[in-house]
Amino acid sequence: DARVTQTPRHKVTEMGQEVTMRCQPILGHNTVFWYRQTMMQGLELLAYFRNRAPLDDSGMPKDRFSAEMPDATLATLKIQPSEPRDSAVYFCASGLVLDRRNPSQPQHFGDGTRLSIL
Amino acid sequence: AQSVAQPEDQVNVAEGNPLTVKCTYSVSGNPYLFWYVQYPNRGLQFLLKYITGDNLVKGSYGFEAEFNKSQTSFHLKKPSALVSDSALYFCAVREDTGRRALTFGSGTRLQVQP
Repeated sequence: DARVTQTPRHKVTEMGQEVTMRCQPILGHNTVFWYRQTMMQGLELLAYFRNRAPLDDSGMPKDRFSAEMPDATLATLKIQPSEPRDSAVYFCASGLVLDRRNPSQPQHFGDGTRLSIL
Repeated sequence: AQSVAQPEDQVNVAEGNPLTVKCTYSVSGNPYLFWYVQYPNRGLQFLLKYITGDNLVKGSYGFEAEFNKSQTSFHLKKPSALVSDSALYFCAVREDTGRRALTFGSGTRLQVQP
């Protein structure tokens, strides 16, 4: 079964450090999503790419977060500088959007990066 | 604008009994509706979707969901719950127009007691 792969699975670091999370979407998928999950806020959409172009990053704090897709096989989410309130599980998901005849294929999620900022 | 509500934080049901997890939605156009399940330390897994057609949608692991346009609901159901169904369930919606991503509900924790 094809899977979305996220690395690292766990990250513990000190406040102020740069954090980079990586995601390998399923081969052939043309949409990539970054989500953050916390007990208080639930599942929040941070960024959404289609064909490697950002379509929506309104949910992402711009001053410290950045999301990119250097190529079709890699998506990155960076936090610099990190803060304790960034502690959460970060999920990447990928999907395939073709045209109006195939409007909504399901997203496939990775198993997340559990981030702890001390 | 699009939104989805899961009114119950937790649902408790005895093994073998039917279960229902509730979801209501709001969209400007026609909805695309999804249910996902999350097990501990894992990402969300797709269960089923409604795009168009029959109001009763069948999905993975014996789950089904009924689309009700007049009540703007998409409740998840299963005739006979298993202990292994215990997990966190998310309803999600997006409009059929535009390029917006899915909007997820807050999640409902299903606890199936032996």
